[in-house]
Amino acid sequence: ETGVTQSPTHLIKTRGQQVTLRCSSQSGHNTVSWYQQALGQGPQFIFQYYREEENGRGNFPPRFSGLQFPNYSSELNVNALELDDSALYLCASSLGGEAYSPLHFGNGTRLTVT
Amino acid sequence: QKEVEQNSGPLSVPEGAIASLNCTYSDRVSQSFFWYRQYSGKSPELIMSIYSNGDKEDGRFTAQLNKASQYVSLLIRDSQPSDSATYLCAVKAMPGSQGNLIFGKGTKLSVKP
Repeated sequence: ETGVTQSPTHLIKTRGQQVTLRCSSQSGHNTVSWYQQALGQGPQFIFQYYREEENGRGNFPPRFSGLQFPNYSSELNVNALELDDSALYLCASSLGGEAYSPLHFGNGTRLTVT
Repeated sequence: QKEVEQNSGPLSVPEGAIASLNCTYSDRVSQSFFWYRQYSGKSPELIMSIYSNGDKEDGRFTAQLNKASQYVSLLIRDSQPSDSATYLCAVKAMPGSQGNLIFGKGTKLSVKP
């Protein structure tokens, strides 16, 4: 059973640029959630995808967008990068429809915006 | 605004002692409760989940839940230096695919040899 994998592991971008982060969910999981974790803070919910549809969103602006593909992998896109977007971006998969399916996180992508 | 509060620490305990980590949450309808361990520079790792009032034990870890007091705790018995990490409390309001996890800021635990 493969776990959640994310790519790339590290990324450096310039303010104003766009970035795409990728995530492959754990085998058998159909729900993917994305979180942003700033230094010294707990993860903050960005959005969740279930069967290719967004079915929950946190307090993030529209320049944060996502996709989920038929194989349940997912992308997080961030446009017009700002310095405050520098953070660890975490992807987690779970089994939607199961009452208490916990989240299992990937290793994360460390994004630095200069 | 749904909130999860944790003492940021650092909490320092000697090796072999019991470490007690506490968490309170604001949303009374919360259903599921989780403890994650996060080593510096790494992603969170699930160590415990609890859904009903009372205690749940798994090896050296015990999670305690009191929904009336909106309080959840994690006890680590026989603490080891390898337990030194930040412990994140997370709360989920709704079961199933709907709903997201709300995390506290984490408590940094340091276990001294």
